[in-house]
Amino acid sequence: QSALTQPASVSGSPGQSITISCTGTSSDIGGYNYVSWYQQHPGKAPKLMIYEVGNRPSGVSNRFSGSKSGNTASLTISGLQAEDEADYYCNSYTRSDTYVFGTGTKVTVL
Amino acid sequence: EVQLVESGGNLVQPGGSLRLSCVASGFTFSSHWMHWVRQAPGKGLVWVSQINPDGRITTYAESVKGRISISRDNAKNTLYLDMNSLRADDTAMYYCARGDNWHYPYWGQGTLVTVSS
Repeated sequence: QSALTQPASVSGSPGQSITISCTGTSSDIGGYNYVSWYQQHPGKAPKLMIYEVGNRPSGVSNRFSGSKSGNTASLTISGLQAEDEADYYCNSYTRSDTYVFGTGTKVTVL
Repeated sequence: EVQLVESGGNLVQPGGSLRLSCVASGFTFSSHWMHWVRQAPGKGLVWVSQINPDGRITTYAESVKGRISISRDNAKNTLYLDMNSLRADDTAMYYCARGDNWHYPYWGQGTLVTVSS
């Protein structure tokens, strides 16, 4: 199972919106609404930000939103803040009853 | 409060074996799927394995099949990962995570496995 494809880096100024894409296949993203997104700061464990494509766990800012179209999922961060600078990973359930993460995207706040 | 605490990581020689443990607290361990995820230094997250609540169903990433075994002891609220024939590319931080309907809301802090001679 190959990793889902994400851009290596995305940057934006404070207050702007950015979108991170996550591209898979019909065997993972395209076949199920079981896409989740994780934020990871250096030296820390990942934190769940979005689950089942577009749902936010309690406590996660509404500046984070998720969507999906075909084999590509997206995470949008609105009103970018300095604290959003981190690595972001998508994850999907697959047809093989396994899971696969994306390659990861480093978000930089300019 | 949900807590997951991993242990067992160490420096091991290529070809060696290691058992990782993850002790859970703050929730009904025996009701949840559990997962292992690893992250090589400076690299991305990689899903490794999952186990169902009663321990009878296990699934593995192709890259570790045959060398890694996941298990659990619900009486001890503990998840295990047994690793054999370790290779340099198994060097990573290993995280345990609780599975909730195809996502992972809770993670441990990780335990570091280093495979080197």
